[in-house]
Amino acid sequence: DGGITQSPKYLFRKEGQNVTLSCEQNLNHDAMYWYRQDPGQGLRLIYYSQIVNDFQKGDIAEGYSVSREKKESFPLTVTSAQKNPTAFYLCASNRGRGLENEQFFGPGTRLTVL
Amino acid sequence: QKEVEQNSGPLSVPEGAIASLNCTYSDRVSQSFFWYRQYSGKSPELIMSIYSNGDKEDGRFTAQLNKASQYVSLLIRDSQPSDSATYLCAVNEVWTDKLIFGTGTRLQVFP
Repeated sequence: DGGITQSPKYLFRKEGQNVTLSCEQNLNHDAMYWYRQDPGQGLRLIYYSQIVNDFQKGDIAEGYSVSREKKESFPLTVTSAQKNPTAFYLCASNRGRGLENEQFFGPGTRLTVL
Repeated sequence: QKEVEQNSGPLSVPEGAIASLNCTYSDRVSQSFFWYRQYSGKSPELIMSIYSNGDKEDGRFTAQLNKASQYVSLLIRDSQPSDSATYLCAVNEVWTDKLIFGTGTRLQVFP
């Protein structure tokens, strides 16, 4: 089955710890994205990557870091510098540039800071 | 800052009725428009995409696009309680290919 997987589904972090969220896709998509969603809020873009070994900051990149060493993988690290990391994190992918460029989402990771 | 605006709702409709969800966007050059459905606690699921003016139908769903008015809508015919969810409108930002999302409209379909 083609799709996007995210792990873990739930993650608990103590204050001051860095944690890494996994995102893998087997859709052969060039572009991958990380969003954050807070309760009752829309999606906010954290980072995105349109090609391997390249990525750009989104609207709320502070306190986060990413890497894109493989086309299939786009892990997100939530660092201790992120002041309020408790949220629902969503990874998405699409083919990259173009008109009919539908973006698909993984199931999400719910991060809670204790 | 490009914007996508939706009424947050909730929009309440009886079972079997037509639900009409609306979205306006600020970027005149946008070319691609998407509707996602998000159930509580789940990730967004793409249900419709539309790229040219007019209507596009898929089963009970119809997307309508009016680029001159910068307006896109989603009609759900014969609404079912299982359609109760938040519907997100998303618009492609031409120069970056990022999607700009609205905050969503919560739809409630009551029996």
